[in-house]
Amino acid sequence: GQQVMQIPQYQHVQEGEDFTTYCNSSTTLSNIQWYKQRPGGHPVFLIQLVKSGEVKKQKRLTFQFGEAKKNSSLHITATQTTDVGTYFCAGPIRGANNLFFGTGTRLTVIP
Amino acid sequence: KAGVTQTPRYLIKTRGQQVTLSCSPISGHRSVSWYQQTPGQGLQFLFEYFSETQRNKGNFPGRFSGRQFSNSRSEMNVSTLELGDSALYLCASSWLDGGKETQYFGPGTRLLVL
Repeated sequence: GQQVMQIPQYQHVQEGEDFTTYCNSSTTLSNIQWYKQRPGGHPVFLIQLVKSGEVKKQKRLTFQFGEAKKNSSLHITATQTTDVGTYFCAGPIRGANNLFFGTGTRLTVIP
Repeated sequence: KAGVTQTPRYLIKTRGQQVTLSCSPISGHRSVSWYQQTPGQGLQFLFEYFSETQRNKGNFPGRFSGRQFSNSRSEMNVSTLELGDSALYLCASSWLDGGKETQYFGPGTRLLVL
């Protein structure tokens, strides 16, 4: 069945260090979305990537969609304590109108 | 514009009971999706409603059902509750197609089954 895996599952970084999470799909995705969920909160949309090889930046966050549209990454430069949370990638469920969420990467930033 | 709202926010039930959760999407959004989030299984898709019709369904037993009203508000029902149904139930809305557009999540209903 369709699977979307993320690594690492957990990441602890010192404030100011960089952080990267990787998302791998078992199938080609028409687009990929990234969400952030703060502890005790709900997922909040960050960005959507559609094109093969696409790279988008949001301040300290850089998102990349692989050439084969089966993987993606999120890189945070110089992490801050406000970056704490779980980052999910999500892709459309094949043949459906909805999203299949990755396993998530929980980021802890140590001040 | 108001965000997605869900009621109730917290709920405690016992095994065998049933529960109904409510979701009001962002005004104008016609697609409403439901997800179950647990520490062990992560975010899992339950079903999606569009124009009062269930358009997609995830891999959950028939005890989980839902509906959507003409104003796009949606309810989900879980009958004969089991301990494993304890989870955060999230509702998300989008304009037309949850697979291609941003999904806006509500705060969720945290259900505890004793």
